[in-house]
Amino acid sequence: ILNVEQSPQSLHVQEGDSTNFTCSFPSSNFYALHWYRWETAKSPEALFVMTLNGDEKKKGRISATLNTKEGYSYLYIKGSQPEDSATYLCAFGIRAQFYFGTGTSLTVIP
Amino acid sequence: DTAVSQTPKYLVTQMGNDKSIKCEQNLGHDTMYWYKQDSKKFLKIMFSYNNKELIINETVPNRFSPKSPDKAHLNLHINSLELGDSAVYFCASSQYTEETQYFGPGTRLLVL
Repeated sequence: ILNVEQSPQSLHVQEGDSTNFTCSFPSSNFYALHWYRWETAKSPEALFVMTLNGDEKKKGRISATLNTKEGYSYLYIKGSQPEDSATYLCAFGIRAQFYFGTGTSLTVIP
Repeated sequence: DTAVSQTPKYLVTQMGNDKSIKCEQNLGHDTMYWYKQDSKKFLKIMFSYNNKELIINETVPNRFSPKSPDKAHLNLHINSLELGDSAVYFCASSQYTEETQYFGPGTRLLVL
C-alpha cells in the first residue's frame, strides 16, 4: 500500500481569501494524480486528472499543478467562497490501483 | 439520468448474514471499482475490474467478492458479515484506469 499524504488536514479561511493544499505521493512509477471534491453526505466529484510532469489545470477559480519528479501536487483556490467548503481529496493511480489521501477539509467562513 | 447508481442506499443487517450491494453505470465505461470509506472518512480501494482483469487489494478479506454479470454492473457480495464491515461503500467507474472516476451515491451498511 502506497502512502499519499495531504496537508493541511483542515483549513478555515475567510470568504475571499485564496488558499492552497498539498498532496504528496511516491515519485517512482507515477501513473496519474486525481483531485476530487467531496461535500458532506455526497459522493466525491472529480476536479482534475493530471498525468504529465509540469501539468497545470484550471477550472474556474480552482487550479492545480503537478510535479512528478519530486512527488507533489498543489491545489489552489482563488477568492474562496462558502460553497467551496468541502473535503478535497487527491488520489495517486498506479496501474489499476488508486490510493486516496486522507483529504484536506476546507471551511470558508462568510 | 444517474450515471453511477447503487442499491440499496441503506442496509442494516445482523452479524453473520450474507448481503449484496448492486452497482450499475450507464456511462459505457470499461472499468469499475469498489471503495470502502472507513470511520475516519478515508477511502480505500477494494477492487478494480474491467472485462479483462480483476485487481484485488490484498488487505480485503476473502468474505468480500465482486461479481460482474456484464460491463455495466459490478456487484459486491459480502459473506458472514462482521461488525467491522459497517461503513459506507462507494462504487465508481472510469473509461480507462487513468481517467476520471465517477462515483455512485454510496451504500451505508450497518452490521448489528
